[in-house]
Amino acid sequence: NAGVTQTPKFRILKIGQSMTLQCAQDMNHNYMYWYRQDPGMGLKLIYYSVGAGITDKGEVPNGYNVSRSTTEDFPLRLELAAPSQTSVYFCATHRGLQPRATNEKLFFGSGTQLSVL
Amino acid sequence: EDQVTQSPEALRLQEGESSSLNCSYTVSGLRGLFWYRQDPGKGPEFLFTLYSAGEEKEKERLKATLTKKESFLHITAPKPEDSATYLCAVTPTTGNQFYFGTGTSLTVIP
Repeated sequence: NAGVTQTPKFRILKIGQSMTLQCAQDMNHNYMYWYRQDPGMGLKLIYYSVGAGITDKGEVPNGYNVSRSTTEDFPLRLELAAPSQTSVYFCATHRGLQPRATNEKLFFGSGTQLSVL
Repeated sequence: EDQVTQSPEALRLQEGESSSLNCSYTVSGLRGLFWYRQDPGKGPEFLFTLYSAGEEKEKERLKATLTKKESFLHITAPKPEDSATYLCAVTPTTGNQFYFGTGTSLTVIP
């Protein structure tokens, strides 16, 4: 089991370019999340999905788009990249809320470090 | 507004010097509180989930406790390999989101 796989690991973009950050999971988890982590700022939620075809905005969605056509994949699209989007991006998965709350947790990928210059 | 505050921002300990990290939270209704460890250049790694006030969980030199307003991560006789950033997160009963604090950077000096 690979768990949560993020690609690429590193990327440098020029201002105004677009790109897609890939996230794939093989744990059959319904819930998937995209976070960004800036130095000293903790993890901020960009978008999340509770299942294929369902997405919702998090705390900092501006400048990003997502889609969820399958359970396994949750790509994050950056349109017109800006220096403010320089960050480390993490994808995470969760099996979903259970009737009895027990041992729930997020599983994280290893991250994508993005620089916009 | 749901919010998580961690303190201190950074902590330096001598090897063997026990201490505690704090996570205070404001949430409409708490479903769960989570502790994660993050090493440089890696994704957060799960440590504990706590669900109700009074609950405690232990793993090696780490012990997490929960009250109605805060959680503590106690580190007993730390070793240099415990050096990392420790993140706290909460999820409310009303939603599917996880809210993270800014973390405590722990350095254990041999």
